[in-house]
Amino acid sequence: SYELTQPPSVSVSPGQTASITCSGDKLGDKYISWYQQKPGQSPVLVIYQDTKRPSGIPERFSGSNSGNTATLTISGTQAMDEADYYCQAWDSSTVVFGGGTKLTVL
Amino acid sequence: EVQLLESGGGLVQPGGSLRLSCAASGFTFSSYAMSWVRQAPGKGLEWVSVISGSGGSTHYADSVKGRFTISRDNSKNTLYLQMNSLRAEDTAVYYCAKDLGVAATTASAFDIWGQGTMVTVSS
Repeated sequence: SYELTQPPSVSVSPGQTASITCSGDKLGDKYISWYQQKPGQSPVLVIYQDTKRPSGIPERFSGSNSGNTATLTISGTQAMDEADYYCQAWDSSTVVFGGGTKLTVL
Repeated sequence: EVQLLESGGGLVQPGGSLRLSCAASGFTFSSYAMSWVRQAPGKGLEWVSVISGSGGSTHYADSVKGRFTISRDNSKNTLYLQMNSLRAEDTAVYYCAKDLGVAATTASAFDIWGQGTMVTVSS
């Protein structure tokens, strides 16, 4: 079965750029979505189809996908961005989520 | 306001059954595929199943295939998940999630999520 691999944790200082990666075999051939989940809350879609932002998502969130790696980039990271982030793709009519990355803003 | 509201969770013994419901409002329900996604306590997200807008196409994760059945009643704007032969490893918060489009495709994503309903499988 297809697997998506994320680093368990990423740390960033306020105002700096955070990059969260998601890797998988020929991932660039698939569309990637990213979700933000804060403690006790439901996930929120922040990026879909590799680079698109849903309405209401700040411009500091951006995405890219090429080769075997997709990246979620948060520019000018704020304390409110501290959360778990999950990448997601479709493979063989099933949905696959990455294991999640805990973003710490300190 | 676009909203999804799950219900039906609870405590069930191993081998038992449970049916979850997800009431949708604020959008044309039949125009979108819908999924169930679960999250075990302290763990990551795990996709469970998807159904197309018409209900004519369904897919399941290997972990639930043959035990769970997804369905929908577009006249009632409601999504269901019938869970049979429940196991301890099915313990999780179950979310329903709206797809961007009418069919589950490689471009799909989940743009609206419910608040979740907890299912606990234990004796």
